Amino acid sequence: EVRLLESGGGLVQPGGSLRLSCAASGFTFSSFAMSWVRQAPGKGLEWVSSISISGGNTYYADSVKGRFTVSRDTSKSTLFLQLNSLRAEDTAVYYCATVLGTVDPFEYWGQGTLVSVSS
Amino acid sequence: QSALTQPRSVSGSPGQSVTISCTGTSSDVGGYDYVSWYQQHPGKAPQLMIRNVNRRPSGVPDRFSGSKSGNTASLTISGLQAEDEGDYYCSSYAGSNGVVFGGGTRLTVL
Repeated sequence: EVRLLESGGGLVQPGGSLRLSCAASGFTFSSFAMSWVRQAPGKGLEWVSSISISGGNTYYADSVKGRFTVSRDTSKSTLFLQLNSLRAEDTAVYYCATVLGTVDPFEYWGQGTLVSVSS
Repeated sequence: QSALTQPRSVSGSPGQSVTISCTGTSSDVGGYDYVSWYQQHPGKAPQLMIRNVNRRPSGVPDRFSGSKSGNTASLTISGLQAEDEGDYYCSSYAGSNGVVFGGGTRLTVL
């Protein structure tokens, strides 16, 4: 059974940083590209970032480019998202997901971790 | 404002069919056959229902079907069931802009 377990969310002040993790199990992590998708409270889905199988190619939404960094550790079957210079509009549930293609579609999803940016 | 335009809500009675539209541009929906549809129940993670315009992942009932014409994609649910109620999102690959989503459609089964 595919399992994706996000962690690392929490309350942070504007301008602060967080590091999200996504622990994968039940499939060959090294064979799939991965993505992060977020959902602000009561709002729709927004693609955030994707990373290739090798980790050599990364992709970002314009809204987070230069502030967020995606990475992966194949030895630990874990996906990461480093969030810097956080803003109030980054408040959302962050989901990690497996990718069937290069950046999408998103086949399996975790349950999400909530990031709240507020002073 | 979302990149792709969906109706805010649709409704139908059990057994009926409903169609949800998703309108984009030639830079996303119209330019690639990489339209996906996701179902989301309250408090739950989204679930992939359709990929590559009209392909159903394993386990998705064949009541769900997708299509595309020009810059508009559509999701049709036939034989509506109570468990189909929820939010539906379309998405499209958008080249250098990555992936864009629609604003979501709330489906109510009357």
